[in-house]
Amino acid sequence: EVRLVESGGGLVRPGWSLRLSCEASGFNFNKHALHWVRQVPGQGLEWLAGISWNSARIGYADSVRGRFVISRDNAKASLYLQMHSLRPDDTAFYYCAKDVFNGAIRLFWFDSWGPGTLVAVSS
Amino acid sequence: VLTQSPGTLSLSPGERATLSCRASQTITDNYLAWYQQRPGQSPRLLIHGASTRATGIPDRISARGSGTDFTLTISRLEPDDFAVYYCLQYATSPQLSFGGGTKVEIK
Repeated sequence: EVRLVESGGGLVRPGWSLRLSCEASGFNFNKHALHWVRQVPGQGLEWLAGISWNSARIGYADSVRGRFVISRDNAKASLYLQMHSLRPDDTAFYYCAKDVFNGAIRLFWFDSWGPGTLVAVSS
Repeated sequence: VLTQSPGTLSLSPGERATLSCRASQTITDNYLAWYQQRPGQSPRLLIHGASTRATGIPDRISARGSGTDFTLTISRLEPDDFAVYYCLQYATSPQLSFGGGTKVEIK
């Protein structure tokens, strides 16, 4: 069974940095792209970033490019999102999601999601 | 940019729901997926490739479309279908994007 568990969320002040983690199990982590998606409570989904299985292909939403960095450690079956210069409008649930294909060179859709971790940015 | 309409659809169980997702540019290769999100849950994949049902999705849920216009149809609404639905385009990899969502609520 595919399992994705996000961690690292919490309450931070504006301007702070925070690193989210996503621990994965139940599939061949080394061969699947992964994504971060966020959702402001009560609002819609926003795709933030994706990374290919070998980290060769990385993409960001315009809203976070230059502030957020996605990375992965295949040896630890873990995905990360380093967030800098956090703002109140970054307050949201952050989900990691597994891309569907094994060994693909581009990003596709996601077939599994974690339960999410809440990041709150407030003074 | 993906624009979903309507924002909210008020229907009764047993009725048919038709949701729209319109793209500002052609989505190549029909690289469009649909997700359902029930309250308090993570999203669930319904459709990929614009019209292919994901594993375990009943055939009363269908989707079609190409180019810039895509539609998700639920032929007979059941209680579990009242949720929010999102389209996702992955044609412009490595940058993906969601539509704003359509809420299907009980009338």
